[in-house]
Amino acid sequence: AQSVTQLDSHVSVSEGTPVLLRCNYSSSYSPSLFWYVQHPNKGLQLLLKYTSAATLVKGINGFEAEFKKSETSFHLTKPSAHMSDAAEYFCVVSLGTASKLTFGTGTRLQVML
Amino acid sequence: EAGVAQSPRYKIIEKRQSVAFWCNPISGHATLYWYQQILGQGPKLLIQFQNNGVVDDSQLPKDRFSAERLKGVDSTLKIQPAKLEDSAVYLCASSHDQLAGGRMGTDTQYFGPGTRLTVL
Repeated sequence: AQSVTQLDSHVSVSEGTPVLLRCNYSSSYSPSLFWYVQHPNKGLQLLLKYTSAATLVKGINGFEAEFKKSETSFHLTKPSAHMSDAAEYFCVVSLGTASKLTFGTGTRLQVML
Repeated sequence: EAGVAQSPRYKIIEKRQSVAFWCNPISGHATLYWYQQILGQGPKLLIQFQNNGVVDDSQLPKDRFSAERLKGVDSTLKIQPAKLEDSAVYLCASSHDQLAGGRMGTDTQYFGPGTRLTVL
């Protein structure tokens, strides 16, 4: 079985400050891990994915995530938040032998002026 | 490249009525997925097609939900009859994934804008 736990349902930061969205995973096999973003009334967009290559993954819009097997974590970070980053973020896990994605419950990121 | 198209974008029905959603995946994508996203939750996979065959429908409530992808391109998801708890956003996604040697890859899934269903 595979699952992800997003540790914060809501995160609030000031514009220009760092962003940290936390995710822990559980998987019996070597997982593939993803972060998706969902802006209001828009479709889900892939930010980045980890598929057993480099443990530090760089994505779009300045986001990156680090796969830490010892901590079973895949936290999403960005050095400096922008107002346009305000959205819902989903951590997602998939087994390597199947394409079925299992989503976390989401973290709503609020960016304040 | 055109994205995943879905229609309608919004639908309001009364319980016990029927409803259908349509999805057109990205051209050339072999795999198509339908997800249900209830308010405040992450999307949950309902059914996965590989071309016109079903790969996984283990979480599809088959007593009321049905889906088809007859020509291996676009797909329809139907609910008959609808219940109040079916109120959700229904997302369609597609990917290049091809079954090879019994294993599928983890190619990126591209999502459509979704259909927001309200059951009264």
